[in-house]
Amino acid sequence: GEDVEQSLFLSVREGDSSVINCTYTDSSSTYLYWYKQEPGAGLQLLTYIFSNMDMKQDQRLTVLLNKKDKHLSLRIADTQTGDSAIYFCASAPIQDDKIIFGKGTRLHILP
Amino acid sequence: NAGVTQTPKFRILKIGQSMTLQCAQDMNHNYMYWYRQDPGMGLKLIYYSVGAGITDKGEVPNGYNVSRSTTEDFPLRLELAAPSQTSVYFCASVPSTSGAYEQYFGPGTRLTVT
Repeated sequence: GEDVEQSLFLSVREGDSSVINCTYTDSSSTYLYWYKQEPGAGLQLLTYIFSNMDMKQDQRLTVLLNKKDKHLSLRIADTQTGDSAIYFCASAPIQDDKIIFGKGTRLHILP
Repeated sequence: NAGVTQTPKFRILKIGQSMTLQCAQDMNHNYMYWYRQDPGMGLKLIYYSVGAGITDKGEVPNGYNVSRSTTEDFPLRLELAAPSQTSVYFCASVPSTSGAYEQYFGPGTRLTVT
């Protein structure tokens, strides 16, 4: 079945850029998403990219999509302490009403 | 709009007890979902609904039941609670007109079964 993989942990110094990576298996995925979960809260949609795009930029966030390698990344520029959270990658296969989530990457900010 | 609301926020159940987790949304979204989140395991889909009167099983439906009698409400029922159902439960909704399946999540219910 469809799968979304991401590393579980990333540690970055405050002010540096964070890059969170994700791979997915379903080549029919139409939309790919990044969600943010802060402690004790639900998931919040950060951004998404349509599968016919290579890049999407939204303020400090840059999403890169490599369809050939089925690789998605989220770059957070000038990482702040408020960016400390778990980031989930997710894909929406075209034939489904469901979204497939990765296990989440915990971003830890070093002072 | 209140968005997606879930009650209760926390609950402790004894093995074998039953309970209903409530989920409501006031955005007139047709699609609603129930997930469970276990530590380090991401989200697993329990049940979902594409409209009132229609429900479908997700990845981990055993031990749960749902109903969708109205567009607004999508309760999740645990009939015989087991320790394996200790988890955080999230409800989410999607506007049916959204091609991007942007999911709006509730704040979650933390359930402990002892």
